[in-house]
Amino acid sequence: GIQVEQSPPDLILQEGANSTLRCNFSDSVNNLQWFHQNPWGQLINLFYIPSGTKQNGRLSATTVATERYSLLYISSSQTTDSGVYFCAVVDYGGATNKLIFGTGTLLAVQP
Amino acid sequence: NAGVTQTPKFRVLKTGQSMTLLCAQDMNHEYMYWYRQDPGMGLRLIHYSVGEGTTAKGEVPDGYNVSRLKKQNFLLGLESAAPSQTSVYFCASNSAINQPQHFGDGTRLSIL
Repeated sequence: GIQVEQSPPDLILQEGANSTLRCNFSDSVNNLQWFHQNPWGQLINLFYIPSGTKQNGRLSATTVATERYSLLYISSSQTTDSGVYFCAVVDYGGATNKLIFGTGTLLAVQP
Repeated sequence: NAGVTQTPKFRVLKTGQSMTLLCAQDMNHEYMYWYRQDPGMGLRLIHYSVGEGTTAKGEVPDGYNVSRLKKQNFLLGLESAAPSQTSVYFCASNSAINQPQHFGDGTRLSIL
């Protein structure tokens, strides 16, 4: 099945710093989403981005489907950005619509 | 707009007890999903439904049953709870395979 790898596995930032999170996937995908899981465990939809570039405030994402990777940019980080960031994809040729999650990037933003 | 609502939010069970988790969505979505998340891991699909009256097995279906009697509701049942089912359970829905999945806030379930 399709493999999803995220890097780095963990990251510590000072408030105000910028960061880039990467998601690599091993095959063609029908769907790609970025999530933020906050310290309370809620999964927050950040982007639905099977291809192209999107921006939402301080966050932006780019997916290059032909090269099988996606990037999440966080600018001017804040302590509320802390948590785990997941990339998840739907296998284009899969039997189900299941999202296949990467192992996540644990982000800690220090004041 | 409530989106996807899960009840209960927390529950503690004893081994062998049964319970049902309820997922309700108000977006008229065809597809609904149940996932589980274990510590330090991403989510894994338990069961899913592609429409009212249909269900199908996902990646880790053993020990669970589901029903989709109404389009807006997707129920997850544990007939005889086991400690290995201690997890956080998430429900999700979407309108089509190539549309984003929307998640509920999760149910934290502990089996003693």
